[in-house]
Amino acid sequence: AQKITQTQPGMFVQEKEAVTLDCTYDTSDPSYGLFWYKQPSSGEMIFLIYQGSYDQQNATEGRYSLNFQKARKSANLVISASQLGDSAMYFCAMREALEGNEKLTFGTGTRLTIIP
Amino acid sequence: KAGVTQTPRYLIKTRGQQVTLSCSPISGHRSVSWYQQTPGQGLQFLFEYFSETQRNKGNFPGRFSGRQFSNSRSEMNVSTLELGDSALYLCASRGLAGGLGEQYFGPGTRLTVT
Repeated sequence: AQKITQTQPGMFVQEKEAVTLDCTYDTSDPSYGLFWYKQPSSGEMIFLIYQGSYDQQNATEGRYSLNFQKARKSANLVISASQLGDSAMYFCAMREALEGNEKLTFGTGTRLTIIP
Repeated sequence: KAGVTQTPRYLIKTRGQQVTLSCSPISGHRSVSWYQQTPGQGLQFLFEYFSETQRNKGNFPGRFSGRQFSNSRSEMNVSTLELGDSALYLCASRGLAGGLGEQYFGPGTRLTVT
């Protein structure tokens, strides 16, 4: 079974609109972390936002917020007021510690294109 | 503060050869992680080094190895290269306060195996 699932291979969004990128996860580790990264065409991965499994409130970082629904094992990224520079690949990732070995697993990504 | 640097940026090797990639973390960061990114398998965690010791490991064969020096610079070695090793290899560093995932990535080394 996939540990991280991103069901949207590609999305097209009008500039200034809000966009939600979906991410579901699967783990038996009670203490885990969820992350979103942005990868522009240059290739460099940019850390956007983090949510801990015990965090009561949804994480926010500027225009980015993480809609964390623990019971549904969902960690969607919301980008408000999208900009042309938001066009990139977006990856959801999960950190687990299984038998003392910490591991980071990535989803397959969503390619977001912002239309002027 | 300078970011994470990786050298070389591009590399072409032949099947059966070996290759060494280098990563210099952000000053003060003692942890370096390595990742492989391919169109077929996506992004996969290789291993993490902290204070010259391998701390965490992904599911890769023993042909993939690494080491870290006392100045926190890290090298990754792949022996007996296969065509499937063609990928973008990313390294990332983090400070003590951050967990695995809360890290800063370098621009990557694009390896092509022919």
